[in-house]
Amino acid sequence: EVQLVESGGGLVKPGGSLRLSCAASGFAFSSYGMNWVRQAPGKGLEWVSSIRSSTSSSGYIYYADSVKGRFTISRDNAKSSLYLEMNSLSAEDTAVYYCARAHEPYSGSYYALWNFDYWGQGTLVTVSS
Amino acid sequence: QSVLTQPPSVSGAPGQRVTISCTGSSSNIGAPYDVHWYQHLPGAAPKLLIHYNSNRPSGVPDRFSGSKSGTSASLAITGLQAEDEADYYCQSYDISLSGFVFGTGTKVTVL
Repeated sequence: EVQLVESGGGLVKPGGSLRLSCAASGFAFSSYGMNWVRQAPGKGLEWVSSIRSSTSSSGYIYYADSVKGRFTISRDNAKSSLYLEMNSLSAEDTAVYYCARAHEPYSGSYYALWNFDYWGQGTLVTVSS
Repeated sequence: QSVLTQPPSVSGAPGQRVTISCTGSSSNIGAPYDVHWYQHLPGAAPKLLIHYNSNRPSGVPDRFSGSKSGTSASLAITGLQAEDEADYYCQSYDISLSGFVFGTGTKVTVL
């Protein structure tokens, strides 16, 4: 059974930093692209960042404009874990952050074709003084 | 602000058919990039319902169906059940934003 379990959320002051983790199990983690999606209170889903199964170059990592330069996505295939390092946080970053596995129509496909076939329960990040 | 527009809410009686529209533009759905649909119950993990416009992942009931035409897509739920009460989101890729985009979300209420 595919499982994704996020952790690391909490209360942080504006300008602060936080590192989220996502522990994956039940599938060959290294073979899948992974993603972070967030949902602010009372708002809809917002894509945050994606990382391909291969990280041999920076071209395999993607960010939404709203987090570019502040957030860093990474993965540790040996630990089947996905991470999101968040810096310079503001109130606008307050949200539940979900980890999601990428589904591709075929291996190595253009990442724009991805959808998200398994999601975690999410971890809440609150940015407030 | 999302570039994919959905109606805020739709409702129907048990057993009825409801549809949810997802309107985009030539930089996303009309580019043409595929549309995918998710069901989200409060406090739960979102669930993939339809991918690649009209394909149901294993385990999704055939009461759910998707279609796409031009710059829009639709999700239909037939034989509406109480358990279908949830928020529904469409998703695609936007070439202008160079990233994935979600719809504004639609709350389905079973009367």
